[in-house]
Amino acid sequence: GENVEQHPSTLSVQEGDSAVIKCTYSDSASNYFPWYKQELGKRPQLIIDIRSNVGEKKDQRIAVTLNKTAKHFSLHITETQPEDSAVYFCAANTGGTSYGKLTFGQGTILTVHP
Amino acid sequence: ETGVTQTPRHLVMGMTNKKSLKCEQHLGHNAMYWYKQSAKKPLELMFVYNFKEQTENNSVPSRFSPECPNSSHLFLHLHTLQPEDSALYLCASSQDWIGETQYFGPGTRLLVL
Repeated sequence: GENVEQHPSTLSVQEGDSAVIKCTYSDSASNYFPWYKQELGKRPQLIIDIRSNVGEKKDQRIAVTLNKTAKHFSLHITETQPEDSAVYFCAANTGGTSYGKLTFGQGTILTVHP
Repeated sequence: ETGVTQTPRHLVMGMTNKKSLKCEQHLGHNAMYWYKQSAKKPLELMFVYNFKEQTENNSVPSRFSPECPNSSHLFLHLHTLQPEDSALYLCASSQDWIGETQYFGPGTRLLVL
C-alpha cells in the first residue's frame, strides 16, 4: 500500500520567513496530493492540492511542487504570519482500485514567531 | 462551518459501554469516511463508504462497527473499547471517491476509561 513520509516533524520560523515542508510517497500510481492545515482544536482544512498532470500550483502565499519521477512533493509558504502556525499534513491517494483512500503523512507542527 | 457535522463533540465511556458517533454532511456528497487521529500519529483511515456501500475497511477491529443508512449520514458504533482507542475520530466527505477533496467534520474527542 501507499506510504507517505513527511519532514520535518516540527518547524519554527520568524514572521516573514519562508517555510518548506516535504513529503515522499511510494505508490507510483498516486495522482492526487492534497495539503491540509489543522489549527489547535479544529478540523483539518484543505489549503491546496495538486494533481499529477502539473508540476506546480500556487495560491497567494502558498505553493505546492510535485516531482513525479522522484515521488516527492513540497509545500512552500512565503511571508509567514503568526496565523500560519498549525499542524500541516500532506496526503497522497492510493492508485488502482482504492481511489478514495488518502494516506496521510505524520504532520508538521509549524510555529511562526512574531 | 456546517458542511460536515459530528455529534457528540466529546465522549467519555467505560470499556463495557456501547455508544455511537454520528456524522452528517450537508454538501450533497456521495462518499464518506471515518478517520482516527491519535497523538503523534498520522491520520488513519478506518472506513470508506461510496453511495452507501462500504468500499474500504482498513483492518479495523470489530469493536468498531460503521453504518451508512444514506449518503448524508454515517455512524460509528462502539462497543467494548480499549483505553488505546482514545483518540479524535474525524468524519469526512467528498463528492465521490476518485481522488476528490475531502471535507472534514470537527471530530469527536473520545476517552475510554
